[in-house]
Amino acid sequence: AQKVTQAQTEISVVEKEDVTLDCVYETRDTTYYLFWYKQPPSGELVFLIRRNSFDEQNEISGRYSWNFQKSTSSFNFTITASQVVDSAVYFCALSEAYIYNFNKFYFGSGTKLNVKP
Amino acid sequence: KAGVTQTPRYLIKTRGQQVTLSCSPISGHRSVSWYQQTPGQGLQFLFEYFSETQRNKGNFPGRFSGRQFSNSRSEMNVSTLELGDSALYLCASSLHAGDNEQFFGPGTRLTVL
Repeated sequence: AQKVTQAQTEISVVEKEDVTLDCVYETRDTTYYLFWYKQPPSGELVFLIRRNSFDEQNEISGRYSWNFQKSTSSFNFTITASQVVDSAVYFCALSEAYIYNFNKFYFGSGTKLNVKP
Repeated sequence: KAGVTQTPRYLIKTRGQQVTLSCSPISGHRSVSWYQQTPGQGLQFLFEYFSETQRNKGNFPGRFSGRQFSNSRSEMNVSTLELGDSALYLCASSLHAGDNEQFFGPGTRLTVL
């Protein structure tokens, strides 16, 4: 069965601090996809990144970076120099590579990030 | 390009009623998925539609149903509403069935009294 765990329910930081959001997943599949989404108070889930299981390269996009480690089944997300606008709930998700399950996402419970000025 | 739109944004119903929610995907997107978000259960997959056919279904009772039209717009219906159906219902679209880069709409907040 697929499972995504985000153990950090809520994190508070002061602006300009770096913060890492943890994501641990479970799957028996050898091929799968991992995602991060941001959910601001408006409710819409905003796509941040997609990573397939064959690509373990870390990725950086501006202040955002992602560390994918298959050995520990983790896909962690780091925000560098956090800003108040980063305040939101962040979700990690997993989907199988089987075509009929591509869009069946298993979401973690989310981490609420509070960035204080 | 316009994003995923959902109507209505807010809805209040009473137990036993039925409700229909609508989702218009991004232009050109043909796959539509629905998710339920509640504080207790989090985000859960309801179903996915592609080319007017349900491709996949989550673990929800038969009171939850959906359909997709030829223009890719989708509706979901919940019959005999229960208090526990109160949730944010999110719709997501992707280009096609083999593309899992999903873009979400703002959701419909359903309150069942």
